[in-house]
Amino acid sequence: AQKVTQAQTEISVVEKEDVTLDCVYETRDTTYYLFWYKQPPSGELVFLIRRNSFDEQNEISGRYSWNFQKSTSSFNFTITASQVVDSAVYFCALSELKGYSTLTFGKGTMLLVSP
Amino acid sequence: GAVVSQHPSWVICKSGTSVKIECRSLDFQATTMFWYRQFPKQSLMLMATSNEGSKATYEQGVEKDKFLINHASLTLSTLTVTSAHPEDSSFYICSARDRGNPSGRADEQFFGPGTRLTVL
Repeated sequence: AQKVTQAQTEISVVEKEDVTLDCVYETRDTTYYLFWYKQPPSGELVFLIRRNSFDEQNEISGRYSWNFQKSTSSFNFTITASQVVDSAVYFCALSELKGYSTLTFGKGTMLLVSP
Repeated sequence: GAVVSQHPSWVICKSGTSVKIECRSLDFQATTMFWYRQFPKQSLMLMATSNEGSKATYEQGVEKDKFLINHASLTLSTLTVTSAHPEDSSFYICSARDRGNPSGRADEQFFGPGTRLTVL
């Protein structure tokens, strides 16, 4: 069975601070995808990144970066120089590469960035 | 590209009535669509997987007779909440998987904007 754990329920930072959101996953599969989504107050999920289990290269996209460590089953997300607009709930998710490729979501981390 | 719409975006209904929510893939064909439910301050929970032209596969604990899913075409799936009760009030989100599987979109789900259901 798959499981995604986001231990941080809520994080509060002041604008311009860096913040890291943790994600730990469990799966018996050797091939899988990992995702991060942003859910602002409007409710619509915004896709941020998808990472294949074979690709452990870290990725940077603007102020966002992701650290994939297969040895510790972690896929952490860092926002550099946070902004108020980054305030949202962030979900980490896991998908198998077989069957219907259903997504298993973590419980989410609410990030509050204050001015 | 890869736009998924939901209608309505919000609905308020009386207890005991039925509510239909539509999920459409606007610019791609989706053989598989997924329905999720999200209660306030909680995560998304998969309710069912819907395949075009066949019966939906429901997750454990989800009543198939209460949450009717129809996936009649490659671009439309509907979720009907029958005899809705206040405990069914939630945010319902659909997603669709691109049948065409072009480069970079394999196994990717595209999410709709969600439908907020309030049952009085």
